[in-house]
Amino acid sequence: DIQMTQSPSSLSASVGDRVTITCRASQSISTYLNWYQQKPGKAPKLLIYAASSLQSGVPSRFSGSGSGTDFTLTISSLQREDFATYYCQQSYSTPPTFGGGTKVEIK
Amino acid sequence: EVQLVESGGGLVQPGGSLRLSCAASGFIVSSNYMSWVRHAPGKGLEWVSLIYSGGNTYYADSVKGRFTISRDNSKNTLYLQMNSLRTEDTAVYYCARQLSSWYDYWGQGTLVTVSS
Repeated sequence: DIQMTQSPSSLSASVGDRVTITCRASQSISTYLNWYQQKPGKAPKLLIYAASSLQSGVPSRFSGSGSGTDFTLTISSLQREDFATYYCQQSYSTPPTFGGGTKVEIK
Repeated sequence: EVQLVESGGGLVQPGGSLRLSCAASGFIVSSNYMSWVRHAPGKGLEWVSLIYSGGNTYYADSVKGRFTISRDNSKNTLYLQMNSLRTEDTAVYYCARQLSSWYDYWGQGTLVTVSS
């Protein structure tokens, strides 16, 4: 199975900050990488698919980049509604696997 | 509007069984790839099972031989039959539609608790 490692596991930031979350795959996955946001008690929400494509309806302050083994999710200006846990997921091979999550908290 | 609504979760003893349902609206389940993903307390997301539009099914090693994914086309509903349940199966179970290689719609989740 492909292992997905996210860093950091948690971070504290202020509204307006630029936030970067990284995800590393244990082998090359091309651009088969997706990002989800999950708030407590809610289902995950797709933010970015295929490493850098913004899902319809997701604010443009979210962006994704990377290919191969190293990927990045960036929030250009953190808003209050962005405080949540973020997960990366590889869809290169079965089983699809998720990173351990990055919890973004209010500083 | 696409909607997925799970049901069937609850408290069950180790070794017991449950069947989860995921009622879909706004699209045809049998024409799409559908998955079950679970979220155990304090842990990350874990893919459980997948059914292709053609009917092929796949399972995580942790549930293979115990869980069965299926669908009822007449009811536009996805199912997950869970047998021989273990305490480590305790989680919120989500159904999700897979578009290409990502999950674009998710249900609200149903909680399964395996405990004596």
